[in-house]
Amino acid sequence: DAKTTQPTSMDCAEGRAANLPCNHSTISGNEYVYWYRQIHSQGPQYIIHGLKNNETNEMASLIITEDRKSSTLILPHATLRDTAVYYCILYNFNKFYFGSGTKLNVKP
Amino acid sequence: DAGVIQSPRHEVTEMGQEVTLRCKPISGHDYLFWYRQTMMRGLELLIYFNNNVPIDDSGMPEDRFSAKMPNASFSTLKIQPSEPRDSAVYFCASSFERGGSDTQYFGPGTRLTVL
Repeated sequence: DAKTTQPTSMDCAEGRAANLPCNHSTISGNEYVYWYRQIHSQGPQYIIHGLKNNETNEMASLIITEDRKSSTLILPHATLRDTAVYYCILYNFNKFYFGSGTKLNVKP
Repeated sequence: DAGVIQSPRHEVTEMGQEVTLRCKPISGHDYLFWYRQTMMRGLELLIYFNNNVPIDDSGMPEDRFSAKMPNASFSTLKIQPSEPRDSAVYFCASSFERGGSDTQYFGPGTRLTVL
């Protein structure tokens, strides 16, 4: 039921920006885009979410295209501790459908 | 706030035994969710509650699984009898409804091994 498509894995150099893409071409008008991450053996951790506008918080920025069919999560200065699986999720009516996510490897 | 609390963190049991997993949601949250994570199937929603009432249990795999929420601060997920294929990490999450944008906060999970 996952309605998002993400690359399986990505590498990023420590200190550089990590840009994680997500395609959600079947998104409906009232579905939010959520991003979570899961560091090995821990519970998923909320990062950011948005509906139409770009969003920024202390962890990341979320860029949503005007047609809302894709989005990008930006970690501005990746650290080794950002190595995790990142999930892009469409949210509506209380249900999250977690897909396979992107394994981000931050390398020194 | 201490966040979502789950117990036990690890459980090892033998096939056929009853297993009870426990969850304390974040105070004030009115939604509670149970998820299961395996390598093969990823993260799956099993059941969720709103104001202690089960709303959607379509993800519960079979009758061996049951969940209850007797009050706003406690929920259990029970497996009876347990089978080796139930081995997984079980997560509990809670949220507060704000109308369409309801961030779920996850607990640390219970790693269940059924021998």
